Amino acid sequence: GAVVSQHPSRVICKSGTSVKIECRSLDFQATTMFWYRQFPKQSLMLMATSNEGSKATYEQGVEKDKFLINHASLTLSTLTVTSAHPEDSSFYICSARDRGTHNQPQHFGDGTRLSIL
Amino acid sequence: AQTVTQSQPEMSVQEAETVTLSCTYDTSENNYYLFWYKQPPSRQMILVIRQEAYKQQNATENRFSVNFQKAAKSFSLKISDSQLGDTAMYFCAFLGTNAGKSTFGDGTTLTVKP
Repeated sequence: GAVVSQHPSRVICKSGTSVKIECRSLDFQATTMFWYRQFPKQSLMLMATSNEGSKATYEQGVEKDKFLINHASLTLSTLTVTSAHPEDSSFYICSARDRGTHNQPQHFGDGTRLSIL
Repeated sequence: AQTVTQSQPEMSVQEAETVTLSCTYDTSENNYYLFWYKQPPSRQMILVIRQEAYKQQNATENRFSVNFQKAAKSFSLKISDSQLGDTAMYFCAFLGTNAGKSTFGDGTTLTVKP
């Protein structure tokens, strides 16, 4: 089946550090990838939709300059949390849909647990 | 905009028993897709089952089945012969034909008790 690899799985860093999270589709091409944030025991909150070769579409309330998204190829999207602060600590999950299969479910990465000290 | 409602924040069931998780949604579209995802304590999102709205037959995957009522906009998940490994948070999701992104419910935390 389709596999999405997300790296790193765990990050602990100091306040003010920028953190990059990678999301790769391993055996399929993904024109679109999605970035979510999840707080404990809560639902997934869509942050942005990443489109290959174009700018990401951010959800209302999500700071574009804070959460930089780059989708340079059909298999890789990155989320960079710039100048991270403790309030940015959360669980971040990416997902992707196989190119040309709009009606298929999203395939999820295993998530990244980000802790800012 | 589509909305997905899961009215049961938490549920529990005895091992080997059957449990049903509810999900309702609101949409003006006629063709769409519905999914149930499972998120165990490891937090990996796992697809459990999917349903196409144009299909009247309810989807089934081993111990998991759905009761899809299109007119009522209801999409419940039944887990038969519950196992300890079914303990997880379950999310209902809606995907329209034009949106490209899924809408998720708030989730139901299911605990299977031995």
